[in-house]
Amino acid sequence: NAGVTQTPKFQVLKTGQSMTLQCAQDMNHNSMYWYRQDPGMGLRLIYYSASEGTTDKGEVPNGYNVSRLNKREFSLRLESAAPSQTSVYFCASCGVTDTQYFGPGTRLTVL
Amino acid sequence: RKEVEQDPGPFNVPEGATVAFNCTYSNSASQSFFWYRQDCRKEPKLLMSVYSSGNEDGRFTAQLNRASQYISLLIRDSKLSDSATYLCVGLPGQNFVFGPGTRLSVLP
Repeated sequence: NAGVTQTPKFQVLKTGQSMTLQCAQDMNHNSMYWYRQDPGMGLRLIYYSASEGTTDKGEVPNGYNVSRLNKREFSLRLESAAPSQTSVYFCASCGVTDTQYFGPGTRLTVL
Repeated sequence: RKEVEQDPGPFNVPEGATVAFNCTYSNSASQSFFWYRQDCRKEPKLLMSVYSSGNEDGRFTAQLNRASQYISLLIRDSKLSDSATYLCVGLPGQNFVFGPGTRLSVLP
């Protein structure tokens, strides 16, 4: 039981490049989330998916797209990376107990 | 005003001390609250849920005051391994709202 896995762990991009962050969970959770964490800001919700086939915007969705491929996987895409998107990205999933389980995070730097 | 606010610290305390963190929330619709712990460069992990009547888990006690809209976390007999950032989290609706975290350093 791996919990929540994320790839890659580290990434450096140039401004304008695109990339997809992958996330998968093996706990059969319906809800999945993408957050970014910046110093002094806490975790801010980018997008979430309440169930397979649905996605909704969170607090800071601009510049991102998501795809809930199936119940297990929830990917985050940056179509044209900007330096303001330099951050640590966490994927999380949540079951019926309202306990969130986080992946190990992706440290992204955009030059 | 942020929905969930915390004193960022750092709180530097000697080993064995008792330390308390407070967290305030602005959305009175929040029904559920949690404390998460985040170690440096790691992901957040659930420490404990916060129940209306207050709850204890070993050295950790969580309290909720709905009238004043704050949550507290008390750590007794602090250990070096308690050094971390503690995140206060509310659930006003479908999504979680995280506070910015309070950093704790327990010193030998």
